Formats: sequence, structure tokens, C-alpha cells
Amino acid sequence: NAGVTQTPKFQVLKTGQSMTLQCAQDMNHNSMYWYRQDPGMGLRLIYYSASEGTTDKGEVPNGYNVSRLNKREFSLRLESAAPSQTSVYFCASSDWGREDIQYFGAGTRLSVL
Amino acid sequence: RKEVEQDPGPFNVPEGATVAFNCTYSNSASQSFFWYRQDCRKEPKLLMSVYSSGNEDGRFTAQLNRASQYISLLIRDSKLSDSATYLCVVYVDRGSTLGRLYFGRGTQLTVWP
Repeated sequence: NAGVTQTPKFQVLKTGQSMTLQCAQDMNHNSMYWYRQDPGMGLRLIYYSASEGTTDKGEVPNGYNVSRLNKREFSLRLESAAPSQTSVYFCASSDWGREDIQYFGAGTRLSVL
Repeated sequence: RKEVEQDPGPFNVPEGATVAFNCTYSNSASQSFFWYRQDCRKEPKLLMSVYSSGNEDGRFTAQLNRASQYISLLIRDSKLSDSATYLCVVYVDRGSTLGRLYFGRGTQLTVWP
């Protein structure tokens, strides 16, 4: 049972470089989410997708873009990475009508130098 | 004001001890309440939901006081394997748009032999 799969697990970027974090879920969930977690802070929502074809901003969307490629996949793109984007990124998904129960991927640890 | 406030700890307790964590939330419209567990450098995982009457799962008891906007988690007979960070999480339904989870920054627990 894969659940929510994120790639890569680790990444080091230089300031100004771009990259895409990938997320896929095999639970047939409608909604998907991207969070970041910084030391001493709770998880904060970056973007979410309520269903295939829709995306919306969360609490901290600046510097990020997302794509809901299909029902399974939701990617997060950093167009021009900044040191402030050094963080652990988690993708999550939830079933229709149960947005309060979210299942998380193992995370991507990103360092921007 | 943060949506969810938790004492970050750390709590260091011997095996067999009873330990309690507290959490407050600011949005009176919050509908669902949870405790998640997060092991070092891993993803958050749902430990238990908390409902109005409170609930118990083995050694874990969670309680909710809606009037005081206060949530608690009690762990009895602590085990070494309970060492982790415990996240207080609330869900706010936003009507026509997707509801959202709000995370506390977590309370770190270390159980020593």
C-alpha cells in the first residue's frame, strides 16, 4: 500500500534554481495538499486542490506554483528558489467529504543555498 | 494570533509515567479536532480524533472542551516508543470552499528508561 508518494526525498538547490516536487496518491482521493514545515512552526498550507482541475492558494503561496496533473498527481514548483524556501515539504490527500482526515507523504527535505 | 497554540516542551519523562499535553485553538467555528504523532524526520500520522465527549484509545485519552476551546491528550504508562512530537490539529469548515487543517507547532516528548 503506497498511499502518498513524494519524490525526491532530498534536494539541494542553489538560489535562483528551479525544481518541481512530485506527489502521487493511489487512494483515489479527490483533494490534495502541499504543506511546508519549518523548525518551531506548525505545518502551513501552501496550495491545495479540491478536485482534479482546480487549485487554490493556501496560507503561504508566494514563490510557488502547483499543477494538478490528474486525479493522482499534484506537483509543486519552485520557479526561482530562495533560501527562505529551505524547509520540509509534505504532500497530503483526503477523501471526498472527509477533508479533515488527511494522509501524508514521507516528505521532501529541501535546502536552498 | 495563531489558530492553534501548544506548549512545545520538551517533556522528558521516565517509562511508566503519565504525561499530559494541552492545546488551545482560536477559531470557535472549528469543527473537528485531532492529535497527530510525528516521529523525528517523518511525516505526521493521525493518532486519534477528539470529539465533544472525548475518547480513549488504550493508554491514550483525548478530551475537548469547546467552551474553553481547549484540547488535551493524556498518555498513561508511557513507553519508550511513545517518544515523538505530538501535534494538535483542528479542522475548520469554510462552507463553499474546502475546509482546512490548522496545526500546532507540536509538543516534543522523550520517554527515558
